[in-house]
Amino acid sequence: SYVLTQPPSVSVAPGKTARITCGGNNIGSKSVHWYQQKPGQAPVLVIYYDSDRPSGIPERFSGSNSGNTATLTISRVEAGDEADYYCQVWDSSSDHAVFGGGTQLTVL
Amino acid sequence: EVQLVESGGGLVQPGRSLRLSCTASGFTFGDYAMSWVRQAPGKGLEWVGFIRSKAYGGTTEYAASVKGRFTISRDDSKSIAYLQMNSLKTEDTAVYYCTRGLGEYPYLDYWGQGTLVTVSS
Repeated sequence: SYVLTQPPSVSVAPGKTARITCGGNNIGSKSVHWYQQKPGQAPVLVIYYDSDRPSGIPERFSGSNSGNTATLTISRVEAGDEADYYCQVWDSSSDHAVFGGGTQLTVL
Repeated sequence: EVQLVESGGGLVQPGRSLRLSCTASGFTFGDYAMSWVRQAPGKGLEWVGFIRSKAYGGTTEYAASVKGRFTISRDDSKSIAYLQMNSLKTEDTAVYYCTRGLGEYPYLDYWGQGTLVTVSS
């Protein structure tokens, strides 16, 4: 089955740029979607189809995907961005959705 | 406004069954695939399964960890999706989220607030 690998944690100072990676075999050939989950809340879709933003998601959130790595980039990080972030793909070979293990973003 | 509201969670003994419901509003329910995702305490997200819309056959797919024990169904006339969970195990303890998406749209754009299922004797 397809495996997505995320770093367990990323730390960044306020106002700086955070980059959260999601690794997978030839992930660049798949569409990657990203979710933000704050403590005690349901996840929220922040990026879909690699780099599209749902309405209401700030432009500070962007995504890219190439080769074996997809990246969620959060510019001008704010304290309110502190959350767990998950990447997800659809594995068409198995008709299964796959989530990465999640990355805890800490704003210093 | 799209809303997904889960119900039916609670405490259940190992080996018993439980059915979760997801009541949807704010969109044409029958036009979308519906999915279930769970999160064990302190753990990450785990996809459970999904049901396609009738336009795509209304068929289902399941994660290996629940296949043969869990069944997803839908009642488009009532805008409700169900997750029937049989032969429950302690490792099924989790918050279960109802979500819209997968299949035609391979992402999950709306999530319910989740319902806690605790499997314990």
